Amino acid sequence: EIVLTQSPATLSLSPGERATLSCRASQSVSSNLAWYQQKPGQPPRLLIYDASNRATGIPARFSGSGSGTDFTLTIGSLEPEDFAVYYCLQRSNWPLTFGGGTKVEIK
Amino acid sequence: EVQLLESGGGLVQPGGSLRLSCAASGFTFSSQPMSWVRQAPGKGLEWVSTISATGTKYADSVKGRCTISRDNSKNTLFLQMNSLTPEDTAVYFCATDQVAGTTRRYLEYWGQGTLVSVSS
Repeated sequence: EIVLTQSPATLSLSPGERATLSCRASQSVSSNLAWYQQKPGQPPRLLIYDASNRATGIPARFSGSGSGTDFTLTIGSLEPEDFAVYYCLQRSNWPLTFGGGTKVEIK
Repeated sequence: EVQLLESGGGLVQPGGSLRLSCAASGFTFSSQPMSWVRQAPGKGLEWVSTISATGTKYADSVKGRCTISRDNSKNTLFLQMNSLTPEDTAVYFCATDQVAGTTRRYLEYWGQGTLVSVSS
């Protein structure tokens, strides 16, 4: 099973700041990685797939990069609605696995 | 507009069974791979099962106890869960498993989830 490790666990930032979230895989997943945003009481929302492709309707301030084992989600300038938990997901191999999440909170 | 509506959750005793349903609309259900993902209270996301044209897949944590199926005539996805334990307590989400307009297999649209509580 591929283990995804997300860091940091919590990121405390102010609106307008840049957020950089990391996801590291225990073995190569090529570019088969997605990022999700989840707010309390809501289902996850697909942000990025194939490591760097924005999903439909996702603002350009969200960008993804990386391949192999190291991936980054960048939020260019935090808007109030961006404070949430973010998960990465690999689907290179079965079983599908999620990272433990990074909470982006208001400083 | 894609809509997914889960139902069938509730309180069940350890060892009991539940059948979850996911009613789908707004897309061609019969050709869409579908998945179940769960989230224990206050915890992260855990993939449970996927059904596609090539077959079914299960997480080890539910293999042998859960069966995913679909009724394409009713645009409905199911998850039959048996021998439930407290560790199965979670919100269960269904999700489409292919990005619309592509061949890329990622969980794109999600329902709001249904809560399964296993307790005596």
